[in-house]
Amino acid sequence: DIQMTQSPSSLSASVGDRVTITCRAGQNIGSFLNWYQQKPGKAPNLLMYTASTLQSGVPSRFSGGGAGTEFTLTISSLQPEDFATYYCQQTYSSPFTFGPGTKVTI
Amino acid sequence: QVQLVQSGAEVKKPGASVKVSCKASGYSFTTYGVTWVRQAPGQGLQWMGHISTHNGDKNYAQRLQDRIIMTTDTSTMTAYMELRSLRSDDTAVYYCARDFRGGRVTDYWGQGTLVTVSS
Repeated sequence: DIQMTQSPSSLSASVGDRVTITCRAGQNIGSFLNWYQQKPGKAPNLLMYTASTLQSGVPSRFSGGGAGTEFTLTISSLQPEDFATYYCQQTYSSPFTFGPGTKVTI
Repeated sequence: QVQLVQSGAEVKKPGASVKVSCKASGYSFTTYGVTWVRQAPGQGLQWMGHISTHNGDKNYAQRLQDRIIMTTDTSTMTAYMELRSLRSDDTAVYYCARDFRGGRVTDYWGQGTLVTVSS
């Protein structure tokens, strides 16, 4: 299985801050990388796929980048509704493993 | 609008089986696949597998391969996930999700079904 890591595991930020989360894959996964946001008690919500393609309806303050083994999710100006846990997921090879998550708190 | 509505919470004893349903609406069912993901209490997300609604092809996580069965009923636009020989560490919220690109991207998710395994 391809191991996925995320850093940091948690971060504290303020409204308006620029926030970057890093995701690393245990091997080259090309651009087969998704990002999800999850709020407590809710299902995950797709933000980004193929590393940098913004899902329809997701605000443009979210952006993704990277390829190979290192990827980033950036929130350009944190909004109150963005406080949540963020997960990356590789879809290069089965099983499509998730990272452990990054919790963004106030 | 696209909706995936899952069946209700279940409590099962170790060794039993559970079957969770996921009823889709608001889109062409056979144009998209269905992925199942679970989340143990307070833990991260675990990908369980994908089924093509078009031809029934399946891709299961190897660690679950001996215990999991995914099926679909196109007449009722419903997907099912059955997990057998339940253990306490199968206690989790189980999610279904609509997928595309061969199961690589999941865009709409069900509300989740809590399965509790306890003696």
